[in-house]
Amino acid sequence: KQEVTQIPAALSVPEGENLVLNCSFTDSAIYNLQWFRQDPGKGLTSLLLIQSSQREQTSGRLNASLDKSSGRSTLYIAASQPGDSATYLCAVLNAGGTSYGKLTFGQGTILTVHP
Amino acid sequence: DGGITQSPKYLFRKEGQNVTLSCEQNLNHDAMYWYRQDPGQGLRLIYYSQIVNDFQKGDIAEGYSVSREKKESFPLTVTSAQKNPTAFYLCASTRSGGNTIYFGEGSWLTVV
Repeated sequence: KQEVTQIPAALSVPEGENLVLNCSFTDSAIYNLQWFRQDPGKGLTSLLLIQSSQREQTSGRLNASLDKSSGRSTLYIAASQPGDSATYLCAVLNAGGTSYGKLTFGQGTILTVHP
Repeated sequence: DGGITQSPKYLFRKEGQNVTLSCEQNLNHDAMYWYRQDPGQGLRLIYYSQIVNDFQKGDIAEGYSVSREKKESFPLTVTSAQKNPTAFYLCASTRSGGNTIYFGEGSWLTVV
């Protein structure tokens, strides 16, 4: 059974720092991996999606990498801002399924960026 | 604007009661999903439906029921058989063959 783990559980950094969030998964037979952002008491917003054949994806100050063989992904946030404060969730879609929303989630990393 | 609407935002349930959470989407998506999130935890899949009049159990379906009579609607009933229903419930949808998943704003259920 696929298991997804995120480290650290919480992170507090001063504004302007570059930071890395980590995600690991136990079964490398995945179709894709996504990173989501969740604000307190809200739904999830997809940030980046990496297909299993890709190594990384970039969007603005965000860069996500994928090493499928080792079961790891990282989310790199450059020049962090207070507005980046949120919970970041990693999720994988296992290969072989037919439902694109049937995801396995990590427990999330709570990020606080203080001015 | 297109999106997913969940209601109510906050719901209180007494012991032994069934409650129904509403999820409506106007994205014309074929597939819909219900996830549960406990504090400090990730999301776990309860039920999903890939087409009208069909649905499948997810990882934690016990104590829940769903229906999919219309493409745009996927209500979730939390029955009295669910022993620990207090949680944040999220509805989501995807189009057929599409990678992008869209989430609603969630519903908080508390047992009193």
